[in-house]
Amino acid sequence: EIVLTQSPATLSSSPGETVTLFCGASQTVFNTYLAWYQQKPGLAPRLLIYDGSFRATGIPDRFSGSGSGTDFSLTISRLEPEDFAVYYCQQYGRLPVTFGQGTTVEIK
Amino acid sequence: QVHLVQSGGGAVQPGGSLRLSCAASGFNFGSFAMHWVRQAPDKGLEWVAVISFDGSDTFYADSLKGRFSVYRDNSNKTLHLQIDRLRKDDTAVYYCARDEGSGSYYGSFHPWGQGTLVTVSS
Repeated sequence: EIVLTQSPATLSSSPGETVTLFCGASQTVFNTYLAWYQQKPGLAPRLLIYDGSFRATGIPDRFSGSGSGTDFSLTISRLEPEDFAVYYCQQYGRLPVTFGQGTTVEIK
Repeated sequence: QVHLVQSGGGAVQPGGSLRLSCAASGFNFGSFAMHWVRQAPDKGLEWVAVISFDGSDTFYADSLKGRFSVYRDNSNKTLHLQIDRLRKDDTAVYYCARDEGSGSYYGSFHPWGQGTLVTVSS
């Protein structure tokens, strides 16, 4: 099983700032099959980025993903109030599908 | 509009059984693999199982094999998860999700159902 480790666990920031979240994999993620999801309290996760760097439909361009192999990142530029949430990375290149433990982006 | 609407869930005693359902609309359900994911209270996401587009292949998280069964009815565009011998640590919100992959590869998950809470308690 591929273990995904996200850092930091919590990130405090202010609207308008830029933040970067990290996701490290215990093995190479096949074909860069890595996604990022946003989850708000009481709601289902929402797909933001797939295949490492492709924005899902309707996702603003202030969200960008990058990385390959075992190291991936999600950058949120110009934080908006609605961006404060929990973010999960996920690999789907090899079963079992695995998720990172999440990074909480909170308002400073 | 692509939509997944979940039903089932609720409070169950340890050792009981439950069937969760996920009704699809707005897309060709029979062309997509489908997943179940769960989230224990205040915890992260845990992948549960996947079923291929035609139901011929299923895979489960190792820790859940034997008690969980995923199946689908393509004619009625519905996905199901049967959970037997429920334990307290099965308490979670359960989500269904469509797999966006193509060919022989799996993909990211989109969309997700709204989630349904399963509470296992005596």
